Amino acid sequence: NAGVTQTPKFQVLKTGQSMTLQCAQDMNHNSMYWYRQDPGMGLRLIYYSASEGTTDKGEVPNGYNVSRLNKREFSLRLESAAPSQTSVYFCASRGVQETQYFGPGTRLLVL
Amino acid sequence: GNSVTQMEGPVTLSEEAFLTINCTYTATGYPSLFWYVQYPGEGLQLLLKATKADDKGSNKGFEATYRKETTSFHLEKGSVQVSDSAVYFCALSLAGGYQKVTFGIGTKLQVIP
Repeated sequence: NAGVTQTPKFQVLKTGQSMTLQCAQDMNHNSMYWYRQDPGMGLRLIYYSASEGTTDKGEVPNGYNVSRLNKREFSLRLESAAPSQTSVYFCASRGVQETQYFGPGTRLLVL
Repeated sequence: GNSVTQMEGPVTLSEEAFLTINCTYTATGYPSLFWYVQYPGEGLQLLLKATKADDKGSNKGFEATYRKETTSFHLEKGSVQVSDSAVYFCALSLAGGYQKVTFGIGTKLQVIP
């Protein structure tokens, strides 16, 4: 039981490049989330998916897209990376209880 | 809207000192309250939670009591260890829908031997 996994762990991009952050959970959870973590700002919700086949915007969705591929997987795509997207990205999932389970994070640097 | 307020720190304590990290919240309705902990290089993990007023959450020697009258959920530990060095996030969640969680900015704790 791996919980929530994320790939890659680290990534360096140049401005304008695209990439997809992958997330998978093996806890059969319905809800999944993408957050970004920046110094002094805590965690901010980018997108979430309440169930397979549905996605909705969070607080800071601009510049991102998501895909809920199936119940296990929820990916985050940056179509044209900008330096303002330098951050640590966390994926999380939640089952019937209120607790969220987080992945180890992806550290992204956009030059 | 909903919000969580906590000091950013860092809070620096000597080993075996008493810890308090304050957390206050603003919410419409009756939220559940959480403390999450983030160890260096890792994701967040639940430390403790309380779902209604006057509930006390506890885990690993940490405690927090849901105080509705003061809208607070302060984290306490009687004797901290070096291994407690981490960032602590207070958070709230309202029932219904997708249960959006509102996080505080996180308080960094450094425990020195």
